[in-house]
Amino acid sequence: KNEVEQSPQNLTAQEGEFITINCSYSVGISALHWLQQHPGGGIVSLFMLSSGKKKHGRLIATINIQEKHSSLHITASHPRDSAVYICAVNSNTGNQFYFGTGTSLTVIP
Amino acid sequence: NAGVTQTPKFQVLKTGQSMTLQCAQDMNHEYMSWYRQDPGMGLRLIHYSVGAGITDQGEVPNGYNVSRSTTEDFPLRLLSAAPSQTSVYFCASSYLGAQSGAFFGQGTRLTVV
Repeated sequence: KNEVEQSPQNLTAQEGEFITINCSYSVGISALHWLQQHPGGGIVSLFMLSSGKKKHGRLIATINIQEKHSSLHITASHPRDSAVYICAVNSNTGNQFYFGTGTSLTVIP
Repeated sequence: NAGVTQTPKFQVLKTGQSMTLQCAQDMNHEYMSWYRQDPGMGLRLIHYSVGAGITDQGEVPNGYNVSRSTTEDFPLRLLSAAPSQTSVYFCASSYLGAQSGAFFGQGTRLTVV
């Protein structure tokens, strides 16, 4: 069973498009993270949130605790946004992280 | 402040060889963990530690050993490498408790032939 489900698995967009990646989870959490993994392999934390909405530049992350759902939005997408985006949650029992399988985003110029 | 330092970046092993992947953090994080990343499966927890002297198994612990003698270091040992352990490995650290951001090492691409 997957505690964290992401959709879509793959996404291709034209430069400038608005992009949404979805994440649903089934465990109780203390926080949800959106991570970015570039083709070189390194993983960078984009957002950590436990309620509401956060915005960094063109990236927006929202979470609905009641529905156990989060979305990552990218406005005015750019080829440099091409990466794998991973949703992860901190379990509220035991400090473990659970990870989604990632969404591979390709933004075409 | 270097964050999480993970070495080596690449490694090729022969079946049966042993090796240690190093992970060090300088943020005084209590929680450290090792993951493997395989195509289509996401990151899976191998072992984790909530503080010096304390380790526990994750989802896929077989074939791996860890120790946590200091807060800073959390090495992962492969005692007898197998081709099934070919993967990309990530070390991560964070503070314990809620509102805890995660910091990842750069990853180790391991191939066992």
